[in-house]
Amino acid sequence: LAKTTQPISMDSYEGQEVNITCSHNNIATNDYITWYQQFPSQGPRFIIQGYKTKVKNEVASLFIPADRKSSTLSLPRVSLSDTAVYYCLVAFDTGRRALTFGSGTRLQVQP
Amino acid sequence: EAGVAQSPRYKIIEKRQSVAFWCNPISGHATLYWYQQILGQGPKLLIQFQNNGVVDDSQLPKDRFSAERLKGVDSTLKIQPAKLEDSAVYLCASSGRDRAYEQYFGPGTRLTVT
Repeated sequence: LAKTTQPISMDSYEGQEVNITCSHNNIATNDYITWYQQFPSQGPRFIIQGYKTKVKNEVASLFIPADRKSSTLSLPRVSLSDTAVYYCLVAFDTGRRALTFGSGTRLQVQP
Repeated sequence: EAGVAQSPRYKIIEKRQSVAFWCNPISGHATLYWYQQILGQGPKLLIQFQNNGVVDDSQLPKDRFSAERLKGVDSTLKIQPAKLEDSAVYLCASSGRDRAYEQYFGPGTRLTVT
């Protein structure tokens, strides 16, 4: 069964590092894992994508183990403006390439 | 660079009525997606176009939903007749050929079916 699993919610304080993990099985071997951020009443916004190991950009890092059954989004030194819902997006190999968003993790950053 | 445009932003209809949503992707983006996002859930892909051809419409309820992308640019998603469970935000996204996994989303259309 193609399914992603994310924690429903997480709480953090400003300046801390936050790690959000998405578990996924049977993802397509040649597809990227992508993470998005969504604020209320807006469409999701691309954060980062990776295929394997570690990827880093100016706002986040993405860790993907060799078996690609999970991925971890790392947000360094979060601020209040990082309060949002975070989604992983993967492509499952179910005979067709099935693009599937996770259920989302609501991150609340406190001062 | 202009973003993905969607209209209307909000729509309220009664069940069994029809409704249409419009999307204008980022100029030059070959791939266009329509998603349905029910409150508290992640977006669910309804249909994906590559230029004006359909790549995946496996989760589109074809008995009531239809979508087209004329000339490989703008797209329209229609629901006819609407059901109460169609109440959701309908998101349009586009991606360029060389960054197929980086999707740019519009603001969405919030549909309420009463």
